[in-house]
Amino acid sequence: GQQLNQSPQSMFIQEGEDVSMNCTSSSIFNTWLWYKQDPGEGPVLLIALYKAGELTSNGRLTAQFGITRKDSFLNISASIPSDVGIYFCAGHGAGGTSYGKLTFGQGTILTVHP
Amino acid sequence: SAVISQKPSRDICQRGTSLTIQCQVDSQVTMMFWYRQQPGQSLTLIATANQGSEATYESGFVIDKFPISRPNLTFSTLTVSNMSPEDSSIYLCSVTARTSGSTYFGPGTRLTVT
Repeated sequence: GQQLNQSPQSMFIQEGEDVSMNCTSSSIFNTWLWYKQDPGEGPVLLIALYKAGELTSNGRLTAQFGITRKDSFLNISASIPSDVGIYFCAGHGAGGTSYGKLTFGQGTILTVHP
Repeated sequence: SAVISQKPSRDICQRGTSLTIQCQVDSQVTMMFWYRQQPGQSLTLIATANQGSEATYESGFVIDKFPISRPNLTFSTLTVSNMSPEDSSIYLCSVTARTSGSTYFGPGTRLTVT
């Protein structure tokens, strides 16, 4: 089956620093999605990417859909304490039966020190 | 985006009993899914909830253990049957917008089996 490798597993940074995390896949994805999950909550969609090469921003967040369709990265600029949480990449593959069925990365735990 | 609610938000259940989780969406959606998130882990797709027909289960999940109903386009239930401590997880409902491909999650139901 499809697998997503997300790295790093955890990050400890100072407030104001930039953050970068990425995901790679063993197979092609049609859509890449990035989520943030706070304790006790469901994942919240941050950015959705639909086309190879697409670069999309949402405030201080920027994400890109890799040209090969097998990878994606998420950057957070000028981190703040409320950026703390677990970040997940997810994607769904090619083919009609795969539509909407997400495969998730292992998650990146982000800690921001004030 | 869709607003998704789940009931209950959390429960503590005895081994051998069953729990039914409800998912309500504020708009009609074609695609609804159920995910499981085991403690400290990422999300795993359980099944696609099909309106008016039997759910489609992913490898490792069966209908007898996780029966799903979807009587209309805004509501679905997931039952966790004959529970054991290994079923302790967060169960999440999600919907995918057919036009955008973006997937949104409910707040989750935190289940503890003793």
